[in-house]
Amino acid sequence: DIQMTQSPSSLSASVGDRVTLTCRASQIISTNLNWYQHKPGKAPKLLIYAASTLQSGVPSRFSGSGSGTEFILTITSLQPEDFATYSCQQSYSIPYTFGQGTSLDIK
Amino acid sequence: EVQLVESGGGLVQPGGSLRLSCSASGFAFSSFYMHWVRQAPGKRLEYVLGISSSGGSTFYTDSLRGRFTISRDNSKNTLYLQMTSLRADDTAVYYCVRRGNSDILYAMDVWGRGTTVTVSS
Repeated sequence: DIQMTQSPSSLSASVGDRVTLTCRASQIISTNLNWYQHKPGKAPKLLIYAASTLQSGVPSRFSGSGSGTEFILTITSLQPEDFATYSCQQSYSIPYTFGQGTSLDIK
Repeated sequence: EVQLVESGGGLVQPGGSLRLSCSASGFAFSSFYMHWVRQAPGKRLEYVLGISSSGGSTFYTDSLRGRFTISRDNSKNTLYLQMTSLRADDTAVYYCVRRGNSDILYAMDVWGRGTTVTVSS
């Protein structure tokens, strides 16, 4: 199975900040990398697919980059509703594995 | 509105069985692969199993093979997860998930809110 590792595991930031989250795959996955946002009691939400393509309806302050084994999710100008957990996931091969998540909370 | 609604979760004793259902609406259910993903308390999201749009192919996580079975009824727009020989470490929120098409490189584009399964005596 492909192992996915995110860093940091948690992050404190303020409204208006720019944050960068990292995801690494244990083997090359091309750009088959997706980012999700999830909040307690709610359905997880697809933010970015294919490493850098914004899902329809997702604000442009979210962006993704990377290919191969290293990927980045950037959120510019954090909004109150952005404080959540973010997980990366590879869709290169089944089982589609996830990172352990980065919990983003308010400083 | 595109929607997935899970049901069937609850408290079950170790060794017991449970069947989860997922009702789909707002899209052509029979055209999409579907998956189950779970999240145990304090753990990462974990892929459980998947099924092709017709139901002819299924995809398992090796560690769950033999205990969990996925199926679907396209006439009822419903996905199922049959779980047997349940263990404490199966305790989790179980999510029903739609796999998007090739345009989005098969990302999981629609999620339900999940149903909680607790395995405990």
